[in-house]
Amino acid sequence: GAVVSQHPSRVICKSGTSVKIECRSLDFQATTMFWYRQFPKQSLMLMATSNEGSKATYEQGVEKDKFLINHASLTLSTLTVTSAHPEDSSFYICSATGGFSPLHFGNGTRLTVT
Amino acid sequence: AQKITQTQPGMFVQEKEAVTLDCTYDTSDQSYGLFWYKQPSSGEMIFLIYQGSYDEQNATEGRYSLNFQKARKSANLVISASQLGDSAMYFCAMREGRSGGSNYKLTFGKGTLLTVNP
Repeated sequence: GAVVSQHPSRVICKSGTSVKIECRSLDFQATTMFWYRQFPKQSLMLMATSNEGSKATYEQGVEKDKFLINHASLTLSTLTVTSAHPEDSSFYICSATGGFSPLHFGNGTRLTVT
Repeated sequence: AQKITQTQPGMFVQEKEAVTLDCTYDTSDQSYGLFWYKQPSSGEMIFLIYQGSYDEQNATEGRYSLNFQKARKSANLVISASQLGDSAMYFCAMREGRSGGSNYKLTFGKGTLLTVNP
């Protein structure tokens, strides 16, 4: 079946540095990708919606200059957490769809900022 | 108001028994979709079952069935013959509007942690 690959699965970075998370659709063209954040023992909260070739749409309260999203191709979207701080430590997970195809999730990235 | 409400933070069930996980939703759209996902401790989101608002039959997928009561705006997940591997977090989610593209953004409930006892 269709697969979404998310990399890295775990990352530890120092406060003030930036970290990039990749979300790839392996066998379908992902016209739309979604980025979620999940704090421990909480629900998934949508951060932004990205459509290939256009700017991402951010949810209210999500800083677009801090969480940079690029969806430059039909198989790749990236989320860059800039100037990371310990409060950015969370589980980040992407999902992708090819339009009317079902939604597929990546396996998530656990970010720890020290 | 919350769009997806899961009132059971935690549930326990004996192995081989059935369990119902509750989910109520709130939307003014006529077209919407309801999803259930399983999230084990490793974090991945595993799709279990889907119910469209216009589907007349309750969805079933193996041991999973969705008890869809449109008038009550409820979409409870029923797991039959529970297995130890069913222990996980379960999330109910909703897509509002017709399916496709950006409409696939989902709103999630807070989840129910299911523990299956041997």
